[in-house]
Amino acid sequence: NAGVMQNPRHLVRRRGQEARLRCSPMKGHSHVYWYRQLPEEGLKFMVYLQKENIIDESGMPKERFSAEFPKEGPSILRIQQVVRGDSAAYFCASSPNTFATNEKLFFGSGTQLSVL
Amino acid sequence: SQQGEEDPQALSIQEGENATMNCSYKTSINNLQWYRQNSGRGLVHLILIRSNEREKHSGRLRVTLDTSKKSSSLLITASRAADTASYFCVYNQGGKLIFGQGTELSVKP
Repeated sequence: NAGVMQNPRHLVRRRGQEARLRCSPMKGHSHVYWYRQLPEEGLKFMVYLQKENIIDESGMPKERFSAEFPKEGPSILRIQQVVRGDSAAYFCASSPNTFATNEKLFFGSGTQLSVL
Repeated sequence: SQQGEEDPQALSIQEGENATMNCSYKTSINNLQWYRQNSGRGLVHLILIRSNEREKHSGRLRVTLDTSKKSSSLLITASRAADTASYFCVYNQGGKLIFGQGTELSVKP
């Protein structure tokens, strides 16, 4: 049973380009969370999705960022017209159910986005 | 800020010593978890303590929880160089995990 898979591992973009980050949750997991981590900081919640639904996007910047988790295929975090400040590590996590009282999250290894 | 607070921000000890990290949070919780992150990698779940528990052990890890003070501590006993990592306390707020800023632990051989 593979863990949470994120790709690419590293992504380099020039300012103004689009970045697409992919996350395949663990088998049997239908809940996906995206987090962003700036250097030497903790992870900051961005968005929580279930299949075909955005449950909580309170951590997403209002512009340029979007996320989806289609019925088939991985979850995608999309950043349009990237700027240098978007450079960060983006982590995806999954869980089998709604984050219930005693559940833990399983994290992917992250995508390091570098904007030149 | 949605983040919890952790201290110290960085901790450097010798192999064999104990390491204690503290965490404070802001809301009522059902449970609090600790995660570990090796440099440049994803996070690994270490231990979960429920709000009705005061102390929990797992191997060389000991976690305490004081809900009246909204604080938790993680103790790593007999540390090893391989324990070098960042440690985060994490709590559930409205269905999403809120991370502390982390303690960077360095264990010198």
